Amino acid sequence: EIVLTQSPGTLSLSPGERATLSCRASQSVRSDYVAWYQQKPGQSPSLLIYDTSTRAAGIPDRFSGSGSGTDFTLTISRLEPEDFAVYYCQQYGSSPRTFGGGTKVEIK
Amino acid sequence: EAQLVESGGGLVQPGGSLRLSCAASEFPGFTFSSHWMSWVRQAPGKGLEWVANIRQDGNEKYFMDSVMGRFTISRDNAKRSVYLQMNSLRVDDTAVYYCARDHKGLFDPWGQGTLVTVSS
Repeated sequence: EIVLTQSPGTLSLSPGERATLSCRASQSVRSDYVAWYQQKPGQSPSLLIYDTSTRAAGIPDRFSGSGSGTDFTLTISRLEPEDFAVYYCQQYGSSPRTFGGGTKVEIK
Repeated sequence: EAQLVESGGGLVQPGGSLRLSCAASEFPGFTFSSHWMSWVRQAPGKGLEWVANIRQDGNEKYFMDSVMGRFTISRDNAKRSVYLQMNSLRVDDTAVYYCARDHKGLFDPWGQGTLVTVSS
């Protein structure tokens, strides 16, 4: 099973700042099949990015994903008030599909 | 967007059983019978954990190790529904259970979730 480690656990930033979230896999992810989800308090997760860098439908271009192999990054170029949430990475290159522990982006 | 609505959660004693349901709304571009479906859970204050999935025709199913032999998954395409039968429940099964369309391992969309609490 691939273990995903996200860092930092919490990111304290102000609106307008840049957020950089990391996701490290315990082994190489086949075909860089990594996705990112956003979860706001009291809501279910929603898909942001898949295939490492492809934005899901309707996701603004301030969200971008990058990486390969074992190291992946989600970048939010300029934080909007609605972006403060928890973000999870997920690998779907091998079974079982696994998630990282999450990074909380909070208002500083 | 397609809508998934879970139901069936509640409070159950350790060793008990519960059956969760997930109903998909009919929506252009989302034909329930054409998609794998998954259950994903989230323990209170914790992260996400894939639980089980089922193929379009119901003839192929997979489970996470810790629920194998205790949980079963099924579907009724005529009712656009997927089910999770949970037996021999343990305290550590306590979580919000979400159903989601499983597209090649991607989960999208998700339902709103149903809370299962296992406690004496």
